[in-house]
Amino acid sequence: QVQLVQSGAEVKKPGASVKVSCKASGYTFTSYGISWVRQAPGQGLEWMGWISAYNGNTNYAQKLQGRVTMTTDTSTSTAYMELRSLRSDDTAVYYCARALVGATTHYFDYWGQGTLVTVSS
Amino acid sequence: SYVLTQPPSVSVAPGKTARITCGGNNIGSKSVHWYQQKPGQAPVLVIYYDSDRPSGIPERFSGSNSGNTATLTISRVEAGDEADYYCQVWDSSSDGEVFGGGTKLTVL
Repeated sequence: QVQLVQSGAEVKKPGASVKVSCKASGYTFTSYGISWVRQAPGQGLEWMGWISAYNGNTNYAQKLQGRVTMTTDTSTSTAYMELRSLRSDDTAVYYCARALVGATTHYFDYWGQGTLVTVSS
Repeated sequence: SYVLTQPPSVSVAPGKTARITCGGNNIGSKSVHWYQQKPGQAPVLVIYYDSDRPSGIPERFSGSNSGNTATLTISRVEAGDEADYYCQVWDSSSDGEVFGGGTKLTVL
């Protein structure tokens, strides 16, 4: 069965960086993309970006351009999301999700369990 | 950027039909996907491409999309359907995915 297992909770100081991992199993990793979505406490879902596990192409949300980097390691079927220059409003649960790519849209059929990142001095 | 508008809350009695709307400029020209999120859990895809259901999602869940409004319809609502629901589309102008603000479904 398809599973996405994320790394554990993190506490970071403002200005620091965080790198969250997402290990996939149960499907051919390179046949799909991985998107990252975050959710601030009590708030809605925010799309952060997408990476093709096939060729490493990326597309980041304009709001996060320059601060976020998404990568994959096909040898271990693991995706990574690094966010730099952390601010308090980056405090959120970060989800990875398997992305199915259509002609003009992506949708997300399997999700990781989420990783809480807390940014606090 | 493209804005999706959902009502903050919808309430429905068990056994009745719940309709959750997602408004956007000419949203009928886009593909809409819907997610269910229960407290403390990751979202679950319930409808994709406007009206398709993933395997394992009950037939009680259906979707439609026309004009400026997409609608998620849940028939014969059960207590277990109580959750937040989010719509999502691709925004070509920002080259990114956009989520609606979410609707909390309360089963009375």
